[in-house]
Amino acid sequence: DSGVTQTPKHLITATGQRVTLRCSPRSGDLSVYWYQQSLDQGLQFLIQYYNGEERAKGNILERFSAQQFPDLHSELNLSSLELGDSALYFCASSVAGVGTEAFFGQGTRLTVV
Amino acid sequence: DAKTTQPTSMDCAEGRAANLPCNHSTISGNEYVYWYRQIHSQGPQYIIHGLKNNETNEMASLIITEDRKSSTLILPHATLRDTAVYYCIVRVGAGANFGNEKLTFGTGTRLTIIP
Repeated sequence: DSGVTQTPKHLITATGQRVTLRCSPRSGDLSVYWYQQSLDQGLQFLIQYYNGEERAKGNILERFSAQQFPDLHSELNLSSLELGDSALYFCASSVAGVGTEAFFGQGTRLTVV
Repeated sequence: DAKTTQPTSMDCAEGRAANLPCNHSTISGNEYVYWYRQIHSQGPQYIIHGLKNNETNEMASLIITEDRKSSTLILPHATLRDTAVYYCIVRVGAGANFGNEKLTFGTGTRLTIIP
C-alpha cells in the first residue's frame, strides 16, 4: 500500500460526458502528479501541483483540468469524453525536495463507451 | 531531464540475479537516477534511487558507473513476482526546480522471470 488513494477504481461512462477522478496523497506530501496510461502505451505525464499551485504541465488536453485543494487532495476533471480517453489514470504524490521519490496510487480505470 | 536507453525486454531464471542496464550518457551533475517498476496495470512502484554512490535497499541494488553515464539495477534473487516493466528515469533534484520534480517515463524494460 503506497498510501496514495484514488477513487473510483473503475468508471464507465458515455462519450460526451464529464467525470471527476479523485486523489488523496500520502500524509505530508505536498506534490501531486497525474499520469495517463492508454492500453499498451507508456505513462504520460499530465500535470503537477505543489501545495495548491500548478507547477508543471505535460500533454494535458484542454478538455482536461485539475486542481489541488487546501487539504492537498486533488481532482482531475475530464470533460467532453471521447473513446480515446479510455485509459488508466494514475495519481502520485511526493514530498518535494532533493532526491525524493514519488508514490503512486492504484489508478482509476476509465472506460468511455 | 536526461534521456535514458534500456533494452526492450529481458528474461531471467527464477532465483538468479536480474541485472537491468540503463544508459544515461547525457546525465547532468544534479540529476538523480531513479528506478520504478510496474506490475501489470498496477501503479508504478518506487524501487531505488541514487546520485553517484551505489545504493542498496531491501528490494534491490543500484550500481552507478564512476562517470555516471550508465547504471545497473540488480534484483539479487528474482522471483516470479518480479515480472514487470522496469523504468530507469533520470531527474533533476531541487533548487530551481523545487516543487517541479515530475518523472518522465520511457518505454522501460519488460523483465520476465522464468520458472
